[in-house]
Amino acid sequence: ETGVTQTPRHLVMGMTNKKSLKCEQHLGHNAMYWYKQSAKKPLELMFVYSLEERVENNSVPSRFSPECPNSSHLFLHLHTLQPEDSALYLCASSQDMLPNTEAFFGQGTRLTVV
Amino acid sequence: SQKIEQNSEALNIQEGKTATLTCNYTNYSPAYLQWYRQDPGRGPVFLLLIRENEKEKRKERLKVTFDTTLKQSLFHITASQPADSATYLCARPRGAGSYQLTFGKGTKLSVIP
Repeated sequence: ETGVTQTPRHLVMGMTNKKSLKCEQHLGHNAMYWYKQSAKKPLELMFVYSLEERVENNSVPSRFSPECPNSSHLFLHLHTLQPEDSALYLCASSQDMLPNTEAFFGQGTRLTVV
Repeated sequence: SQKIEQNSEALNIQEGKTATLTCNYTNYSPAYLQWYRQDPGRGPVFLLLIRENEKEKRKERLKVTFDTTLKQSLFHITASQPADSATYLCARPRGAGSYQLTFGKGTKLSVIP
């Protein structure tokens, strides 16, 4: 276990549904991230939070909406998704937003949009 | 943004041999490279970080090299075991001084008993 927990592990949702992914870390880290991993593609960084403030939004469509209520929790709210949004969504945390810092990843949520 | 490429999608080797995975990057040399292991259906797990001024780094059966002339990092697993079978990802900073990582697509290693 890396200390980063994601729920649910699997999610199937229709294009008109609204759902949320949850991430929790108790490592005392200050930075949290959402990544998307599609088949045959490299990990794509979606959002970055540092001390609960969003610092990066890498051109992610508005149907993905992150929320960071405190430094231990991160959510990704999903609504009106498309089938091409089906992927493994990974949460990660790191001590700080500094170079040379390793990332600790959760197990991921396997999302299928039907 | 800076690119990073892992040209081999898959690599099969016999148990006990040394596995060598390649990571190539473009443009300027990054300040460091990181290597991660990812098992199916799980998140990546950090293995090693090597800095630009380090030629080589070791951790148990793992060895990473950083060649700024060839713009390449090699990841070696000596005395490979079936349990080493996984996808290995390399990553570099997205830009100078950036904390954001750009990942390669990964190389899937299969160690055959």
